[in-house]
Amino acid sequence: GAVVSQHPSRVICKSGTSVKIECRSLDFQATTMFWYRQFPKQSLMLMATSNEGSKATYEQGVEKDKFLINHASLTLSTLTVTSAHPEDSSFYICSARERYEQFFGPGTRLTVL
Amino acid sequence: EDQVTQSPEALRLQEGESSSLNCSYTVSGLRGLFWYRQDPGKGPEFLFTLYSAGEEKEKERLKATLTKKESFLHITAPKPEDSATYLCAVQAGLSKFYFGSGTKLNVKP
Repeated sequence: GAVVSQHPSRVICKSGTSVKIECRSLDFQATTMFWYRQFPKQSLMLMATSNEGSKATYEQGVEKDKFLINHASLTLSTLTVTSAHPEDSSFYICSARERYEQFFGPGTRLTVL
Repeated sequence: EDQVTQSPEALRLQEGESSSLNCSYTVSGLRGLFWYRQDPGKGPEFLFTLYSAGEEKEKERLKATLTKKESFLHITAPKPEDSATYLCAVQAGLSKFYFGSGTKLNVKP
């Protein structure tokens, strides 16, 4: 299957700082990437759909100014958590669509102190 | 309302004890149904895609089937390394994916 990478895998930051997470499709071009958030023992919650060259589409209840998404190329999407607070601590997972299937990255564990 | 429901929430099996996981869905305009495996602290790993009722796919000890209302993931003679959370997702339209809450499988040696 297609390979999707995420960087960093873990990040610990102080409250009020911004954190950028990168998602890359390594062996295919992805016009559409997705960002999910997962709380412990829960399923994935879609945050936004990222389309190359256009603005991201955010799910209801997700703050656009809080979670900035940029999809500048066919292989890279970034999620920036701005002015992070402890309640933003979570497991963030990206995925990239190839044809009709989604392939997921390994996830990024964000801890905000 | 589009919805995906997985059952059971958790399943404990002895090694070699075959069983099935269920994913039922109510989605208009089904484009595909997907099964993933997720290990703790990792992203979901793609297993299968099913597109139409009656379709079946197999991979090692796993077999996925699809009807118009549900999908089953059959696990034959499971091993401890099959322990994981299994997620089902349904695609409606071009981009919308709906995930179930998952079934946590624990296979004891």
